[in-house]
Amino acid sequence: NAGVTQTPKFQVLKTGQSMTLQCAQDMNHEYMSWYRQDPGMGLRLIHYSVGAGITDQGEVPNGYNVSRSTTEDFPLRLLSAAPSQTSVYFCASSPSGQGDEKLFFGSGTQLSVL
Amino acid sequence: AQTVTQSQPEMSVQEAETVTLSCTYDTSENNYYLFWYKQPPSRQMILVIRQEAYKQQNATENRFSVNFQKAAKSFSLKISDSQLGDTAMYFCAFMKRSGGYQKVTFGTGTKLQVIP
Repeated sequence: NAGVTQTPKFQVLKTGQSMTLQCAQDMNHEYMSWYRQDPGMGLRLIHYSVGAGITDQGEVPNGYNVSRSTTEDFPLRLLSAAPSQTSVYFCASSPSGQGDEKLFFGSGTQLSVL
Repeated sequence: AQTVTQSQPEMSVQEAETVTLSCTYDTSENNYYLFWYKQPPSRQMILVIRQEAYKQQNATENRFSVNFQKAAKSFSLKISDSQLGDTAMYFCAFMKRSGGYQKVTFGTGTKLQVIP
């Protein structure tokens, strides 16, 4: 019963480096999303997907890319890391259309960009 | 655009006492969901309670209950018999559905400290 698996848990990058945050879910959820959490700002939506092959931008998409080639996986790519991207990142998934919508979260990634 | 406001950045409560966390939201939607999520120091986001807007009855989960006032756009969380394990950040969240698209907006959180 893995739920939403997010890796890595911690990461330190230098400015300009790129990396991919991995997210996988085993609940056959159509909806997946990425959030960043900053002190005093709650969780803000970066990108989301309503199914394989379909992605769209959220509230704060700049500097991030996503793709959804399978139902299970939804990786988040940082193209050229900047100190402003220091944050905690959460992946979440949700069933859709069945009246049981709610977000299931991964355990988060603490990212520091130096 | 939806907004969710949590006006209490920090609160404290004595163990075994009752505390209420406030949340208001702004929307023109009629069908939506409201949630309270708990984030303990472990960082994990845990669903506490869920309310469907079309249901007038307030949701309850053991010691947790909500006061959902749709007309006032208010969604407060009451924690009864507070326990030390309730110490956490609490986030109010609003979800609207439009076909397969779900948009979730979070408040800025309330940090709750349960005092022994």
